[in-house]
Amino acid sequence: NAGVTQTPKFRVLKTGQSMTLLCAQDMNHEYMYWYRQDPGMGLRLIHYSVGEGTTAKGEVPDGYNVSRLKKQNFLLGLESAAPSQTSVYFCASSRQGSEAFFGQGTRLTVV
Amino acid sequence: DAKTTQPPSMDCAEGRAANLPCNHSTISGNEYVYWYRQIHSQGPQYIIHGLKNNETNEMASLIITEDRKSSTLILPHATLRDTAVYYCIVRANTGGFKTIFGAGTRLFVKA
Repeated sequence: NAGVTQTPKFRVLKTGQSMTLLCAQDMNHEYMYWYRQDPGMGLRLIHYSVGEGTTAKGEVPDGYNVSRLKKQNFLLGLESAAPSQTSVYFCASSRQGSEAFFGQGTRLTVV
Repeated sequence: DAKTTQPPSMDCAEGRAANLPCNHSTISGNEYVYWYRQIHSQGPQYIIHGLKNNETNEMASLIITEDRKSSTLILPHATLRDTAVYYCIVRANTGGFKTIFGAGTRLFVKA
């Protein structure tokens, strides 16, 4: 039982490049989330999904897109990366009304 | 979700109890108190949650005041491995985990 797995763990992008972060969970959770964490700060919600085929905006959605084509996967896309998107990205999943389980993070640097 | 207030940092001697306070004076009747911790830059780890009664599990105890406006997370015998940032979160147990994590309390356990 792997829980929540994020791919890749590290990435360096040049400004303007695009990339997709993959999150996979094997707990059959309905809800999935993407957060970002900047140095010395808490986590901020980017986008979330309440089920396959549905997505919604969180606190800081600008510059990101997401897709949930399969229940177990939640993709976070950066269409044109900017230095301000340098951060650590965490994916999480949960059942309704239950605690969330987090992945180990993706450290992204945009130069 | 109600706002929470935590001290930015605390120290604790190894082997002693660590008592981490959290104020949540605007908590609503249907909102639970959740605690997570984040070790180094790993993904947040769920610790415990409660509604009004005190709760205990293998990791910690949660004490919620009678008026529910504050709570304390207790690590009974802190070890060096408990050095982490601890987040107190208040949320209703409906819907998903769309909670915003604040800055938390940085706990330093010293030998």
